[in-house]
Amino acid sequence: SSELTQDPAVSVALGRTVRITCQGDSLRSYYASWYQQKPGQAPVLVLYGTDNRPSGIPDRFSGSSSGNTASLTITGAQAEDEADYYCNSRDSTTDPPLVVFGGGTKVTVL
Amino acid sequence: QVQLHQWGAGLLEPSETLSLSCTVYGGSFTGYFWSWIRQAPGKGLEWIGEINHSRNTNYNPSLKSRVTVSLDTSKKQFSLKVTSLIAADTAVYYCATSARQWAYYQDSGKYDWYYYMDVWGNGTTVTVSS
Repeated sequence: SSELTQDPAVSVALGRTVRITCQGDSLRSYYASWYQQKPGQAPVLVLYGTDNRPSGIPDRFSGSSSGNTASLTITGAQAEDEADYYCNSRDSTTDPPLVVFGGGTKVTVL
Repeated sequence: QVQLHQWGAGLLEPSETLSLSCTVYGGSFTGYFWSWIRQAPGKGLEWIGEINHSRNTNYNPSLKSRVTVSLDTSKKQFSLKVTSLIAADTAVYYCATSARQWAYYQDSGKYDWYYYMDVWGNGTTVTVSS
């Protein structure tokens, strides 16, 4: 099976920019989606496809994808962006392609 | 605005069967996949399984022998059963619906679907303990 790898934790100063990455061979075949999860809450979709935001997600969240890496960028991080972020895609090595999640990145806003 | 309401027993003993259901409110029963995901205490998200509108199911290989996902379109409901519970099944269980879109992949030069879980339930805490 194919895995998605994320850095366990990153920190960012209030108002600055942070990029979270997700790596995996499956990302060459399927776009990633990104989820924000705050303590005690369900995950919320924040990005899907190359750079699509659901309604209600601030435009400081943006995405990109190149080769085996997908990225989520928060431009001008706010205190409320402190959360765990998970990437998700399909495993291109299985038939049918099964769901796979990254291990998550904890974002701390300083 | 589509919402998912999930329910089911939260405290179970080892060897028992977990049964959870998820009902779609506030919209049509759309979505390409209906999924179950869980999160053990202090851990990341783990996909359990999914079903599509044709009732084709896919399961996490590590759980496949114990998991069943089913669909009742007349009730706008999908359900999860996990048999032979062990302590390691203790987790928050989420239901979610997945949408899909057709996209061009530059690396391969091909078009294909991609999927994303756009609506999530609030989660059900399941504790397996004797």
